[in-house]
Amino acid sequence: NAGVTQTPKFQVLKTGQSMTLQCAQDMNHNSMYWYRQDPGMGLRLIYYSASEGTTDKGEVPNGYNVSRLNKREFSLRLESAAPSQTSVYFCASTSFPGLAGSSYEQYFGPGTRLTVT
Amino acid sequence: LAKTTQPISMDSYEGQEVNITCSHNNIATNDYITWYQQFPSQGPRFIIQGYKTKVTNEVASLFIPADRKSSTLSLPRVSLSDTAVYYCLVVLDGQNFVFGPGTRLSVLP
Repeated sequence: NAGVTQTPKFQVLKTGQSMTLQCAQDMNHNSMYWYRQDPGMGLRLIYYSASEGTTDKGEVPNGYNVSRLNKREFSLRLESAAPSQTSVYFCASTSFPGLAGSSYEQYFGPGTRLTVT
Repeated sequence: LAKTTQPISMDSYEGQEVNITCSHNNIATNDYITWYQQFPSQGPRFIIQGYKTKVTNEVASLFIPADRKSSTLSLPRVSLSDTAVYYCLVVLDGQNFVFGPGTRLSVLP
């Protein structure tokens, strides 16, 4: 049981390049999330997917797109990277959001450290 | 949007009880409160969640007053390994997790 996995672990991009961050979970969770964490700051939600086939914007969606490929996988795409997108990106998943009495425990991946020069 | 406010940092000594308070004035009726712990270079880890009154698990307690405008995470008898950043989150509508700025806890020997 690997939990939440993310690839790659590290990436350096030049301004204007594009890339896709991959995330997969093997816990049969319904919801998946993408966050970014800038140095010394808290996490900010970029996008989330409450179920397969649905996605919603979080606090900072500009410059990003997401795809919920299936129940296991949720990818984050940067179409034209900018230095302001230099950050650590975390993917997370939860089991039953929105139901009374459910656990809101999110399981996080190890993160992807992205540098845009 | 329910924003949270926490102290930026706190210091404690090993063996002491630590209480971290979070303000969430705009919390809605259906929103839950959760707390997470984060070590450097790792993703956050869930500690506890609650809706009202008091919740206790094997590592912490969570106190939420009747007006739900604040919550307090209580860590009993902290050790050096509890040095981390602690985040208070409000779960909006059951699916939108809003992290606060976090409290950096330093446990001293």
